[in-house]
Amino acid sequence: GQQVMQIPQYQHVQEGEDFTTYCNSSTTLSNIQWYKQRPGGHPVFLIQLVKSGEVKKQKRLTFQFGEAKKNSSLHITATQTTDVGTYFCAGLPEYSGGGADGLTFGKGTHLIIQP
Amino acid sequence: DSGVTQTPKHLITATGQRVTLRCSPRSGDLSVYWYQQSLDQGLQFLIQYYNGEERAKGNILERFSAQQFPDLHSELNLSSLELGDSALYFCASSVSPQKNQETQYFGPGTRLLVL
Repeated sequence: GQQVMQIPQYQHVQEGEDFTTYCNSSTTLSNIQWYKQRPGGHPVFLIQLVKSGEVKKQKRLTFQFGEAKKNSSLHITATQTTDVGTYFCAGLPEYSGGGADGLTFGKGTHLIIQP
Repeated sequence: DSGVTQTPKHLITATGQRVTLRCSPRSGDLSVYWYQQSLDQGLQFLIQYYNGEERAKGNILERFSAQQFPDLHSELNLSSLELGDSALYFCASSVSPQKNQETQYFGPGTRLLVL
């Protein structure tokens, strides 16, 4: 079945430094979604990328979808303490009718920020 | 607030017991997903329902079962509980599992502690 790998598992940064997490799928994706889970909270949808090579920005967050639609990245510029949490990617296979081939979540990257 | 509700918020029980977790999806969402999240683990997909029918099965143990009712709420039944079943159980809902409608909205979770 489809596998979605995320690296790194943990990332410690000083406040103000940049942060990047990478997501790789074993199969071509129809789209990829990113979620954020704050400590003690639940995953919250951030964004969805659909097109090959797509880049989307949300303030200090930049999301990219690879040309081959098998990888994605999330980059945060000048991290702030509010960015603390776990960032998950979730991919939908290209050839999917939903259901058994639905979204597959990566294991997440835990972002720890030192003030 | 995602619009997904889960009860109870916390549950403490003993090994060998059986518990039922309840989830009400967002208004209009037909698809419900159950996930297990243990310490330092990602989101382990358990099972998905769509409009009352089981749609996909993930890493769900035989001791666990679920159903979705005509009013679209869902219940996850965990039986013969073991210490290792202690985890956070999330329910998520989406409009449908079909492409571009599969963004998932997570509930606040039920924290289960098996003693």
